[in-house]
Amino acid sequence: QKEVEQNSGPLSVPEGAIASLNCTYSDRVSQSFFWYRQYSGKSPELIMSIYSNGDKEDGRFTAQLNKASQYVSLLIRDSQPSDSATYLCAVNYSGNTPLVFGKGTRLSVIA
Amino acid sequence: EPEVTQTPSHQVTQMGQEVILRCVPISNHLYFYWYRQILGQKVEFLVSFYNNEISEKSEIFDDQFSVERPDGSNFTLKIRSTKLEDSAMYFCASSEEGTALRGYTFGSGTRLTVV
Repeated sequence: QKEVEQNSGPLSVPEGAIASLNCTYSDRVSQSFFWYRQYSGKSPELIMSIYSNGDKEDGRFTAQLNKASQYVSLLIRDSQPSDSATYLCAVNYSGNTPLVFGKGTRLSVIA
Repeated sequence: EPEVTQTPSHQVTQMGQEVILRCVPISNHLYFYWYRQILGQKVEFLVSFYNNEISEKSEIFDDQFSVERPDGSNFTLKIRSTKLEDSAMYFCASSEEGTALRGYTFGSGTRLTVV
């Protein structure tokens, strides 16, 4: 059974701080990893993808991947109240197999 | 920015009735998916569709579910005899190159309420 684990939160950070969201996955051969943002009642929106070990930066977002530890994280710098949402980690285990999602971490950025 | 379009946005149906949820994927995308999300729970895979046939389905996707691409643009999910536990948000997604490279673009979802 392919599993993706996330702390459900809520994670509360003050405005301007760095928010750190974590995700672990069960299968060492996983290929690609995605972070989606989901506002309440809305659909998931892709914000980052990462395939190789190390860091990948896109604006205020940095994704970090450590395949040896089966761990992927998302850092949000200079957090804004508009970043308050649930962040979903999704894993592609092989080829074109469907993405497996974690339950998500709810982030609350306090103004 | 191209979008995945889903209709209706909200459907209320009586238990035992059939519902059809509709999706128009992004025009140059080749891979199509249905996911559902029960309130407060995670996004769960139902079925994937490529080259006019189901490529993979989950345990949730039993005989009461079916998918169809009736023309070149629409992609539908039919639930034959709805149960209370089918109440959820249903998301359609599409992908140009399959899962590995770019993830999916999701539609805005259909909230299905079975009463």
